[in-house]
Amino acid sequence: DAGITQSPRHKVTETGTPVTLRCHQTENHRYMYWYRQDPGHGLRLIHYSYGVKDTDKGEVSDGYSVSRSKTEDFLLTLESATSSQTSVYFCAISLQGYEQYFGPGTRLTVT
Amino acid sequence: TQLLEQSPQFLSIQEGENLTVYCNSSSVFSSLQWYRQEPGEGPVLLVTVVTGGEVKKLKRLTFQFGDARKDSSLHITAAQPGDTGLYLCAALPMNRDDKIIFGKGTRLHILP
Repeated sequence: DAGITQSPRHKVTETGTPVTLRCHQTENHRYMYWYRQDPGHGLRLIHYSYGVKDTDKGEVSDGYSVSRSKTEDFLLTLESATSSQTSVYFCAISLQGYEQYFGPGTRLTVT
Repeated sequence: TQLLEQSPQFLSIQEGENLTVYCNSSSVFSSLQWYRQEPGEGPVLLVTVVTGGEVKKLKRLTFQFGDARKDSSLHITAAQPGDTGLYLCAALPMNRDDKIIFGKGTRLHILP
């Protein structure tokens, strides 16, 4: 199994508060991704990174920002959480940009 | 916009039966992956197919990539309760600047 962890695993927060989710890998993979998974929508890409300090937007990036200061860490920040951002968030890593290995997920509830 | 359509969306069958689920698109892809996701966990990669017409087997699971590299199928022989889960297909577009896309999945439930 790929060495990938996410923290926290569960979080409940109030509307308007900032939230940061962390993804940590021990595989030294170049690519890292943040997805959200919602019923009826499947997995949707939020942001991804193709190297340290190299990031780009996915299809649902509004309201989210990311940072990657080290190969092993990829942070996802919700600057001001909204109820529409209640979801399960998955981090994934990839060595070459196609086969992906997913973390266990973070369940975020915004009240 | 490239889309991956998975069918059926839901499937509930008895243990021991055979089944096939599909992943279809109008676009050509350079490779296609199948993942299985169990409740409360992240998707787990099962297989990658790259060549048109390619067939790969993983125990009772048989994966096929269409000749034109636009579609794929997953066949399960003698389904078992442990096969229960969400099966996702994902495809890498021919343009490497485009990111991998996921289908919405087939939710499979095997009844004991």
